[in-house]
Amino acid sequence: DAGVIQSPRHEVTEMGQEVTLRCKPISGHNSLFWYRQTMMRGLELLIYFNNNVPIDDSGMPEDRFSAKMPNASFSTLKIQPSEPRDSAVYFCASSLRGGLAGADTQYFGPGTRLTVL
Amino acid sequence: GNSVTQMEGPVTLSEEAFLTINCTYTATGYPSLFWYVQYPGEGLQLLLKATKADDKGSNKGFEATYRKETTSFHLEKGSVQVSDSAVYFCALSDQNQGGKLIFGQGTELSVKP
Repeated sequence: DAGVIQSPRHEVTEMGQEVTLRCKPISGHNSLFWYRQTMMRGLELLIYFNNNVPIDDSGMPEDRFSAKMPNASFSTLKIQPSEPRDSAVYFCASSLRGGLAGADTQYFGPGTRLTVL
Repeated sequence: GNSVTQMEGPVTLSEEAFLTINCTYTATGYPSLFWYVQYPGEGLQLLLKATKADDKGSNKGFEATYRKETTSFHLEKGSVQVSDSAVYFCALSDQNQGGKLIFGQGTELSVKP
């Protein structure tokens, strides 16, 4: 299995530009999670999906952030417009059963390092 | 609300030293507890987990025991190696909150030869 795939691995953009991060979860997994990691705030859950449906987006920082999961094998996290404070590493993770099984293991992708100038 | 607190790093040890990284939690329900490890430039990987009180999770020489009475899940290893250098995250998952993971702030471990 290829694991969770994220693209791009690195993104450098200018303030005000739109940024789209992509994630392909492990085949057969029903839940997908987006996290943001910064030195100041650590690892934060932004949003998660069960069976392609957003369940909890309370971690999404503001309206500039949006996430979609059009099918079981693809999700996007979009920032529009981007700001320098959005600079972080964004991780996608997937799990087999998600919220229905509290002990479910989450498998993380390698992350996208975003730099907004 | 639920939360996880880890000992602050960085922790610097010599090879073959004993490792303890403290983790305590606050939860309203009966959470599952996890240790994840992040090697430089990579995503997080599950190291071990425990789903109920007194369970011991173990993997690659690391161990942690779910202690409900002290709300703790301390990570231990008897003899660390240089290859164990990484950031370690303690986390909990509460089924009453949809099973989402709540992470501690992470503890950086550096093992010197």
